[in-house]
Amino acid sequence: DTAVSQTPKYLVTQMGNDKSIKCEQNLGHDTMYWYKQDSKKFLKIMFSYNNKELIINETVPNRFSPKSPDKAHLNLHINSLELGDSAVYFCASSPWGDTEAFFGQGTRLTVV
Amino acid sequence: KQEVTQIPAALSVPEGENLVLNCSFTDSAIYNLQWFRQDPGKGLTSLLLIQSSQREQTSGRLNASLDKSSGRSTLYIAASQPGDSATYLCAVPGGGADGLTFGKGTHLIIQP
Repeated sequence: DTAVSQTPKYLVTQMGNDKSIKCEQNLGHDTMYWYKQDSKKFLKIMFSYNNKELIINETVPNRFSPKSPDKAHLNLHINSLELGDSAVYFCASSPWGDTEAFFGQGTRLTVV
Repeated sequence: KQEVTQIPAALSVPEGENLVLNCSFTDSAIYNLQWFRQDPGKGLTSLLLIQSSQREQTSGRLNASLDKSSGRSTLYIAASQPGDSATYLCAVPGGGADGLTFGKGTHLIIQP
């Protein structure tokens, strides 16, 4: 069973479009995250959610919005996509208070 | 603000050698430290998690050490194999649900 799963794995879209990436975890963790890995392979936190409440937002453009329908899901919506949004986006989860994190396989987003 | 540095950025060694990857962090008030492996085009695989109260953690040919006071961790790989070729990432938590702060990784190549 996949612990943290993301869909789609690859996403190619045109500038200006709106897209979503889905994430699900079956670990029973309280906290979920979205990370962005840029072209230089550097990973940075974007959002974290704990019990359906946004905890942090690291200076990410408001075109990005996380949405959590329940504790096991954290989806990432991106509006008005720009070329600079091209990156690999990773979903992760961890138990609250114990930050061992488990990552999904990533979604490679290419904006053309 | 926590910063994580990994040295070297890249390393190429012949098969069979023992090697050490280094990680340093600026804020020693960490709960734990996590080492990940990332294969090209793939997600992150958690290798070892060292709690702040521990000094070492071992898994197979991997041994990770942690010296909180000096802000350092090392990942020791014994008897390296071509299958160990990957990027190795070190990360520390920000506390609570602040997610992980990553180093830029060490790109490791094991020559057959």
